[in-house]
Amino acid sequence: AQKITQTQPGMFVQEKEAVTLDCTYDTSDQSYGLFWYKQPSSGEMIFLIYQGSYDEQNATEGRYSLNFQKARKSANLVISASQLGDSAMYFCAMREGQRYGGSQGNLIFGKGTKLSVKP
Amino acid sequence: GAVVSQHPSRVICKSGTSVKIECRSLDFQATTMFWYRQFPKKSLMLMATSNEGSKATYEQGVEKDKFLINHASLTLSTLTVTSAHPEDSSFYICSARDLAGVINEQFFGPGTRLTVL
Repeated sequence: AQKITQTQPGMFVQEKEAVTLDCTYDTSDQSYGLFWYKQPSSGEMIFLIYQGSYDEQNATEGRYSLNFQKARKSANLVISASQLGDSAMYFCAMREGQRYGGSQGNLIFGKGTKLSVKP
Repeated sequence: GAVVSQHPSRVICKSGTSVKIECRSLDFQATTMFWYRQFPKKSLMLMATSNEGSKATYEQGVEKDKFLINHASLTLSTLTVTSAHPEDSSFYICSARDLAGVINEQFFGPGTRLTVL
């Protein structure tokens, strides 16, 4: 079974509108971390936002917010007021055993969602 | 934020040659670095975990004799693709964890695009 599932291969959004990118995860660990990265065409991976499994509040970073629903095992990324520069691939990732260092700490990535912002 | 550099950013080589890719953490120490491979329009696939001062841990299906990893210092890990073939052409990305960071954030290098002719 996939650990990280991103069901939207591609998404379109109008400039200045909000968009939600879906991510569901599968883990039996109680402690884990969820990450979102942006990868523009240049290839660099840009960290956007992080949510810890024990965090009670949804994470926010500027125009990015993470809609964390633990019971549903979902960690959707919400981008508000989309900009043309937001066009990129977006990857959801998980690290298990976050707090107790149970794993070596590698990130498990979803297949990504390609977001295109229309002017 | 922390910075990870990779060199070279792009390399073209002939089949049968070896290519070395360097990954450096510029402003933090990284006892653990990760090497990923990414095919066009695909996700990142973890190849191996590089541990400073010890042998790397390879993921299943990754040939350790073909992809040599050396983590000689707390700021440098190298990936050598030995006897490269066209099927090794890919985008290779390294990353490092800043253990002193609040969330053990993982920073990525800009990637190396390898083309084997």
